[in-house]
Amino acid sequence: ETGVTQTPRHLVMGMTNKKSLKCEQHLGHNAMYWYKQSAKKPLELMFVYSLEERVENNSVPSRFSPECPNSSHLFLHLHTLQPEDSALYLCASSPLAGSTDTQYFGPGTRLTVL
Amino acid sequence: DQQVKQNSPSLSVQEGRISILNCDYTNSMFDYFLWYKKYPAEGPTFLISISSIKDKNEDGRFTVFLNKSAKHLSLHIVPSQPGDSAVYFCAALKDSSYKLIFGSGTRLLVRP
Repeated sequence: ETGVTQTPRHLVMGMTNKKSLKCEQHLGHNAMYWYKQSAKKPLELMFVYSLEERVENNSVPSRFSPECPNSSHLFLHLHTLQPEDSALYLCASSPLAGSTDTQYFGPGTRLTVL
Repeated sequence: DQQVKQNSPSLSVQEGRISILNCDYTNSMFDYFLWYKKYPAEGPTFLISISSIKDKNEDGRFTVFLNKSAKHLSLHIVPSQPGDSAVYFCAALKDSSYKLIFGSGTRLLVRP
């Protein structure tokens, strides 16, 4: 595997479910990101991890809980989501956070909350 | 309020002609700008960038122009090819910020 991978690619869940999104980067980068793209809206940054430490939490509700166990893996744990949370969730990585280094994106997880 | 705006949701261009995608921003603190391209079912991929100390950056068929006084940048694709059909996102960054601010995208269709 090369680049940034995300699983699952599609997820349908009820509002009471607990699920997790997984991201893995094979680029040796030190920074990882979660973005949300809702229909007809720009990509919105949710979280940033640098060297496994969270450095940005962009006013995201607590029903979204990120986890970065090492510099190659990033998770987004989902709990009691709302239908308006249905969106494309994109993971990205870059060599460093807080720099002009290019961010490399995964293909995204299309989440539908019923 | 959106700090990075792409006012044209879509653009259709004949193959071989020039495609011009526009982007406006409101925050004068932005000092680095990027264009990403996105195909369906794939994540955005980096295309080209420009620092605020420059007004033009060229890479093959792609050129980005920056007009700081107008807070405007544009992406020119010459000549356009059908494989360029995708959604193009403009993004901006403040110095030492983690936060890449994206526009809402412009869908480009290059007709054969």
